[in-house]
Amino acid sequence: GENVEQHPSTLSVQEGDSAVIKCTYSDSASNYFPWYKQELGKRPQLIIDIRSNVGEKKDQRIAVTLNKTAKHFSLHITETQPEDSAVYFCAASKGTDKLIFGTGTRLQVFP
Amino acid sequence: EAGVTQFPSHSVIEKGQTVTLRCDPISGHDNLYWYRRVMGKEIKFLLHFVKESKQDESGMPNNRFLAERTGGTYSTLKVQPAELEDSGVYFCASTSVGNEKLFFGSGTQLSVL
Repeated sequence: GENVEQHPSTLSVQEGDSAVIKCTYSDSASNYFPWYKQELGKRPQLIIDIRSNVGEKKDQRIAVTLNKTAKHFSLHITETQPEDSAVYFCAASKGTDKLIFGTGTRLQVFP
Repeated sequence: EAGVTQFPSHSVIEKGQTVTLRCDPISGHDNLYWYRRVMGKEIKFLLHFVKESKQDESGMPNNRFLAERTGGTYSTLKVQPAELEDSGVYFCASTSVGNEKLFFGSGTQLSVL
């Protein structure tokens, strides 16, 4: 079955710096890759997603890149702010099949 | 639009007791998922309902876990008897047919002592 690995497990950055979180997946048939953000005590929320027919997608300060050949995808956050502090999860699925999640990255942005 | 709601938000029980978690999906969402996160690990898939039918229960740990979704609306997840390793946050998520984007509930923090 699908396996998703996520690195790093923790990431600390200074406000204004960029943050990058990387994930790899095992099933080449996976075609949907969302990223979820979970703030302390709150529910995971979708922040951006990408499908396998594109290589990059941006939404303001957030971008996701996908390398299908290498089977990895990354989340890029630019100009980080303290409110970006949260746990971020990557995930992969085949179509509307179940999502398989990574182990999460705790991002801390220091003012 | 009301989101996915879960009850209770926290539950502390002793080993050997029974606990029932409830999830109310977003109205109209036929797909309902249960996930669990043990501290520091991934959000792990447990099972998937389409309406009242179990589409995939490959992630259920063992027969101490029983999930139901009678009538295809809300779902319950019962753990009986609970063991220490069952502790974690149980998330429910829902989505409409053909939509990959999951909407999560706030989770139930289960502590088995």
